[in-house]
Amino acid sequence: RKEVEQDPGPFNVPEGATVAFNCTYSNSASQSFFWYRQDCRKEPKLLMSVYSSGNEDGRFTAQLNRASQYISLLIRDSKLSDSATYLCVVNPKNSGGSNYKLTFGKGTLLTVNP
Amino acid sequence: GAVVSQHPSWVICKSGTSVKIECRSLDFQATTMFWYRQFPKQSLMLMATSNEGSKATYEQGVEKDKFLINHASLTLSTLTVTSAHPEDSSFYICSARPLGGTYEQYFGPGTRLTVT
Repeated sequence: RKEVEQDPGPFNVPEGATVAFNCTYSNSASQSFFWYRQDCRKEPKLLMSVYSSGNEDGRFTAQLNRASQYISLLIRDSKLSDSATYLCVVNPKNSGGSNYKLTFGKGTLLTVNP
Repeated sequence: GAVVSQHPSWVICKSGTSVKIECRSLDFQATTMFWYRQFPKQSLMLMATSNEGSKATYEQGVEKDKFLINHASLTLSTLTVTSAHPEDSSFYICSARPLGGTYEQYFGPGTRLTVT
């Protein structure tokens, strides 16, 4: 099982649609979880951290289910500018080496169409 | 805040030459910086973790003698790709974790390396 696994996508949705991304992680000891977005040929940018209680930032809602080792991101009322690759990112909490390493999923490409 | 720069943004070099990439945290100090590589349509793969004043920790399968990392100060880490080959052509991205921060990392804009 891959450390971080995401929906393969791509997703093509019309403006205004609601879209959900799913992600699972294999290391049950993982401590921190994030969603990043990456535009084509650009660096990843932090979209939001994901907390156990779930959190919302405007049109974006992130959920974490530790029992199922599952993370989700919901985008409501999608905009053209939301088109990007969405990366699920987990801190694997290794016993050795840096505790601050992040493991990235392969990403899911979203295209929002006019 | 939390701006990370990389230089150069792109470079083309010939096989056998060495290329140095700089990563700087502009408005914060970073005890830890990370170097990633990303091939087209692939995920970011961590190459190494760079700690200020100590040796870098390399991920399995990454040759430390080929990818030299130096983290000389709290705001600068460098990656040198030695004796570059065409298969080293990739997008190299650094990130920095702020001193005293948590798990969030801030990424540089990346360096696109093409080896001919």
